Amino acid sequence: KNQVEQSPQSLIILEGKNCTLQCNYTVSPFSNLRWYKQDTGRGPVSLTIMTFSENTKSNGRYTATLDADTKQSSLHITASQLSDSASYICVVSARNQGGKLIFGQGTELSVKP
Amino acid sequence: DAGVIQSPRHEVTEMGQEVTLRCKPISGHNSLFWYRQTMMRGLELLIYFNNNVPIDDSGMPEDRFSAKMPNASFSTLKIQPSEPRDSAVYFCASRLGQEAEKLFFGSGTQLSVL
Repeated sequence: KNQVEQSPQSLIILEGKNCTLQCNYTVSPFSNLRWYKQDTGRGPVSLTIMTFSENTKSNGRYTATLDADTKQSSLHITASQLSDSASYICVVSARNQGGKLIFGQGTELSVKP
Repeated sequence: DAGVIQSPRHEVTEMGQEVTLRCKPISGHNSLFWYRQTMMRGLELLIYFNNNVPIDDSGMPEDRFSAKMPNASFSTLKIQPSEPRDSAVYFCASRLGQEAEKLFFGSGTQLSVL
């Protein structure tokens, strides 16, 4: 069964600190992996998209990694800001399924001053 | 571009009533998706359209749910009759091109069925 598991479920860090969020998936055949940021009361916004051949991608202070062999991804946030408080969702797409996305449950990040 | 536009932003209705959610995708995008988000189940795909044609509606919970896309710039999701368990946030999203392209979400409709 195609699944995406994220950890931790929630995380509290102090402003300025770094953090890493984890994503494990069992989706096959793999097409791409995305990280989304969802602010409270808003729709998800894409941070990164990685295909099979990419093992790292950055978007400002956000850096995503992908290990397609172990089917793991991480999202590293550097020098966190209060505005980073949000839910971070890992999403995996299976190849040849019309772009159907499998969503993780998300990690709720809270950045405190 | 204004992004994906959904209306209403909030909807409160009584059980048994008909509910219609509306979506205007980003101009030029050829795929449109309807998702439902709850605390328990996260984001679930209900249905998606490609070039206005429904491609996969396997996520639609039951016959009470229906979706239409009469043209490239408008889609509706209807629930008739609504039930309390339909309470959730409903998101519309659109995309240009194929699988690896970025998906753009609207701000969602918060539905409460009393």
